[in-house]
Amino acid sequence: AQTVTQSQPEMSVQEAETVTLSCTYDTSENNYYLFWYKQPPSRQMILVIRQEAYKQQNATENRFSVNFQKAAKSFSLKISDSQLGDTAMYFCACVYGGSQGNLIFGKGTKLSVKP
Amino acid sequence: DAMVIQNPRYQVTQFGKPVTLSCSQTLNHNVMYWYQQKSSQAPKLLFHYYDKDFNNEADTPDNFQSRRPNTSFCFLDIRSPGLGDAAMYLCATSRGGSLYEQYFGPGTRLTVT
Repeated sequence: AQTVTQSQPEMSVQEAETVTLSCTYDTSENNYYLFWYKQPPSRQMILVIRQEAYKQQNATENRFSVNFQKAAKSFSLKISDSQLGDTAMYFCACVYGGSQGNLIFGKGTKLSVKP
Repeated sequence: DAMVIQNPRYQVTQFGKPVTLSCSQTLNHNVMYWYQQKSSQAPKLLFHYYDKDFNNEADTPDNFQSRRPNTSFCFLDIRSPGLGDAAMYLCATSRGGSLYEQYFGPGTRLTVT
């Protein structure tokens, strides 16, 4: 069975600085996808970034980038130039390539950006 | 704007009294998911519909049922809520398949008294 582990329950960062959130996963599949979702306080969850496991190049979306280490089964999220609006729960998630999108989530990391 | 809507946002029910949560979408997505999220925990998939095909997770209690009368609507029925069913219930949609992003609704927070 797939599992996703986020070892940092809470983190904080000063505005404009860079922070990295960790995620490891365990799967025996070769075809899978990895996601980071953001859940702001009292607001709905939204996708931050997505990585296809067959791609070696790390995904990047503006200030958000990932460090995908397939052999180590590691998928960390780097947030550059942190903004107050980045304060949220961040969930790492994995899904099998042949599935109908059944996301397996980690327990989340609560990120606080301080002014 | 196209979106995923959940009603109500907050629901209080009594122990053992059936309750229905609703989800609607204007995205015309094939797949609709229901997740249960307890405080400070990860969302846990209960079941999903791919078009009209219902897919139940193996560990979803029988107390939880779902209906999808058409593409736009999906309902979560809790037949006899227990105190342990108090949680945030999230509805999500996607175009189908693992590649695609899931779009989440704002959730319904269920309280059981």
